[in-house]
Parts: sequence; structure tokens; C-alpha cells
Amino acid sequence: TQLLEQSPQFLSIQEGENLTVYCNSSSVFSSLQWYRQEPGEGPVLLVTVVTGGEVKKLKRLTFQFGDARKDSSLHITAAQPGDTGLYLCAGGRSHDMRFGAGTRLTVKP
Amino acid sequence: KAGVTQTPRYLIKTRGQQVTLSCSPISGHRSVSWYQQTPGQGLQFLFEYFSETQRNKGNFPGRFSGRQFSNSRSEMNVSTLELGDSALYLCASSLDLGVTEAFFGQGTRLTVV
Repeated sequence: TQLLEQSPQFLSIQEGENLTVYCNSSSVFSSLQWYRQEPGEGPVLLVTVVTGGEVKKLKRLTFQFGDARKDSSLHITAAQPGDTGLYLCAGGRSHDMRFGAGTRLTVKP
Repeated sequence: KAGVTQTPRYLIKTRGQQVTLSCSPISGHRSVSWYQQTPGQGLQFLFEYFSETQRNKGNFPGRFSGRQFSNSRSEMNVSTLELGDSALYLCASSLDLGVTEAFFGQGTRLTVV
């Protein structure tokens, strides 16, 4: 059973469009992490959000942690083909980290 | 600083065989976790090692085991391979036990035929 539900599961958009992906849970997490994974590679850590209501920006990516620390969102502005990949949210600590199933994003030129 | 190194990158084994995968964490990191990734189940936690001791274990059968050496390098072993063990096996390195951030290697793609 996945403790973290991600939506949408698949997303295909044109270059230049904006998008938001979601990570929801019924559990409270002390922090959530977002990773991006490209085919045949390991996940790469993008950001960690810790405080409820926190917003972090990484160039065109904006991450938000819900006030109740049960959900998070990732917003990409003006998506580019290089943003293509599997976006994973994860919660917990290294000894019990749980991952969502991921959102597979395709950005077409 | 070098990242997490996993060897080999690709492996093909026959049902019933056993396999050993290796992981070298980031220098200075003392915790190593292992994950199995499949299209159907996603990323699932196998176990975590810290100070040469297994600290936590996921819901996998006893055929999956691991160990950690004094230099923090880790190996995982799968015995009596089954077709369903085909997956990408990922190693993650963390600075300490129970921290929130993990840094992954490129993984070992295991195919069981």
C-alpha cells in the first residue's frame, strides 16, 4: 500500500506550458523530498521541504509543502524537454523512506 | 566529491542462481539503504545499514540480504533468484542514520531469465 499518492500518473505537454503535480498522504510527514529520475538512472534529489506551508524555488520549479505536512506540490513554469522524467515524492527518514508511484512527465518540443 | 557508485550496472542471471550487488557511498556518508524498483511496485525499501549493522528491513523475503563493511561500502545478495526479482536495484547513501535526504546511485539492472 502506497502511503504517498501522486497525481497525475502520466502527463504529456508541449514545451512552454505550465504544470503542477501533486503528492498526497493521510499521514503527517516531518519532511518530504522530491526526486527526478531519468530512464536507466537513479533518482536525483531536487529539494526537501520541512516546514508546513514552506515554498521553495529551484529555477523554474516551485515546491510547496502543505500546512498540515500531509501533502506537497511541484509546479513547473514554462516546461522544457529537459524536464522530461519521472518525478517522485518521498517521505520519512533513511531507515523507512516511502516513495510515491511517481508522475511521468513528457515535454514535447 | 564522488557520488554513489554501484556495480555492476547490468546483470543477467538464471532462475535459481544467486547474485551480489555492490555499492560505494559518498565519502563521509555512513548510512546505506537499498531499494528495489519495478514498474508495478515502484520504489520499495529493502534495508538500511549503518555502522556495519542492519538497522531496518522492508517487507522482503529472507532471500534478500546485505552487509556493510567498515569503510561503509555495502553489498546486497539475492539467493535462489526468481523471475520476479528482475528489477532496478538502487543504493542510497545518507550522511547519518535516520536523516531525511538520500542520494542515489545509478542502480544495477538485474534481469532474471
